[in-house]
Amino acid sequence: QVQLVESGGGVVQPGRSLRLSCAASGFIFSDYGMHWVRQAPGKGLEWVAVIWYDGSNKYYADSVKGRFSISRDDSENTVYLQMSSLRAEDTAVYYCARVTALRSFDYWGQGSLVTVSS
Amino acid sequence: DIQMTQSPSSLSASVGDRVTVTCRASQNIDNHLSWYQQKPGQAPKLLIHGASRFQSGVPSRFSGSGFGTDFTLTISSLQPEDFATYYCLQSYSIPLAFGGGTKVDI
Repeated sequence: QVQLVESGGGVVQPGRSLRLSCAASGFIFSDYGMHWVRQAPGKGLEWVAVIWYDGSNKYYADSVKGRFSISRDDSENTVYLQMSSLRAEDTAVYYCARVTALRSFDYWGQGSLVTVSS
Repeated sequence: DIQMTQSPSSLSASVGDRVTVTCRASQNIDNHLSWYQQKPGQAPKLLIHGASRFQSGVPSRFSGSGFGTDFTLTISSLQPEDFATYYCLQSYSIPLAFGGGTKVDI
């Protein structure tokens, strides 16, 4: 069965960096684009970034552009989110999600909490 | 960038009620609209994609409609397990955008 498992979250000081991982299983990873979505405590969902199935394109929300970087390693079936220059407003649960050909998110990870605090 | 306006932000309903949630896009998004259900402490779950197509395994009481800029999610007969927050998502263009969410409670 399809599984997405995030890891790498935790407490980090403002200005520091953190890398999230999302390990995929149960499907042909290299066939799918992958997204990151975040949710601040008590708030709604916010789209963060996408990487194409072949890694050829990457796009970011304006709120993270220039600070976050998405990548993938198809040999490890893993997508990453490298976060730098972290701010308090980046505090959120971060979800990875698989995107279908019809552009919807059919599978999501369980989420990884990132807390940016001094 | 496309903005998604979802309404209402919350509603109170009873088991058996018909519930309707709407999303309006700031510009045409064809049918690139999906709906998600999220319960506290859980990841979102896909309900409807392509504005009106059922996701496998989702109960038939959930339905979606609309095209262009105006979209609707309908729950025909609310069940106890349907009390949750619902989000729409436009995937017509990047940056993708979620609606603000609709919390359905008793």
